[in-house]
Amino acid sequence: GDSVTQTEGLVTLTKGLPVMLNCTYQTTYSPFLFWYVQHLNEAPKLLLKSSTDNKRTEHQGFYATLHKSSSSFHLQKSSVQLSDSALYFCALSVANSAGNKLTFGIGTRVLVRP
Amino acid sequence: GGIITQTPKFLIGQEGQKLTLKCQQNFNHDTMYWYRQDSGKGLRLIYYSITENDLQKGDLSEGYDASREKKSSFSLTVTSAQKNEMAVFLCASSIRTNTEVFFGKGTRLTVV
Repeated sequence: GDSVTQTEGLVTLTKGLPVMLNCTYQTTYSPFLFWYVQHLNEAPKLLLKSSTDNKRTEHQGFYATLHKSSSSFHLQKSSVQLSDSALYFCALSVANSAGNKLTFGIGTRVLVRP
Repeated sequence: GGIITQTPKFLIGQEGQKLTLKCQQNFNHDTMYWYRQDSGKGLRLIYYSITENDLQKGDLSEGYDASREKKSSFSLTVTSAQKNEMAVFLCASSIRTNTEVFFGKGTRLTVV
């Protein structure tokens, strides 16, 4: 079946440093990839999305490139802020005979220290 | 903009009890979802519905029932609450396949 793998459970870093969160996926269908961010006691919100191979997508200083050859959609930011502390989910959407199905990874918690 | 409203925000149940969680959306979205969020396990799909009166099982449907009574509402029933169960249940909706999914703030379930 479809799956998403996020290898880091917790990433702790200092304000101003770069960050990269890993995301790989498995599917036999044409993929749409998403990054969602969830701040404490809030609902998850969309951060980035892409279905175009090898094209970088950016939002709010975060960026990611879908690489279908390696089934990856890693999230990066060049300089993290304290407000970036949150839970980040990578998600895979595929369209099959049963309609849309969105599959999430287990999430990566990012903690930014002053 | 629209909003997804989940009720109740907090739910305390007893072991073996049947519990119902409700979700309303005013986006006029076709597709609605129920996810369970456990620490260390991410968001796991319980049920989803692509239109009124449609139901599709997710990866975690055992122990749950769902009902899409009308386009704007989607309810989830825990058929028999398990002791010491703690999780957040998130309702979500989207226009159609491969578009942005919008989430509610969740119902936090505790079973004593």
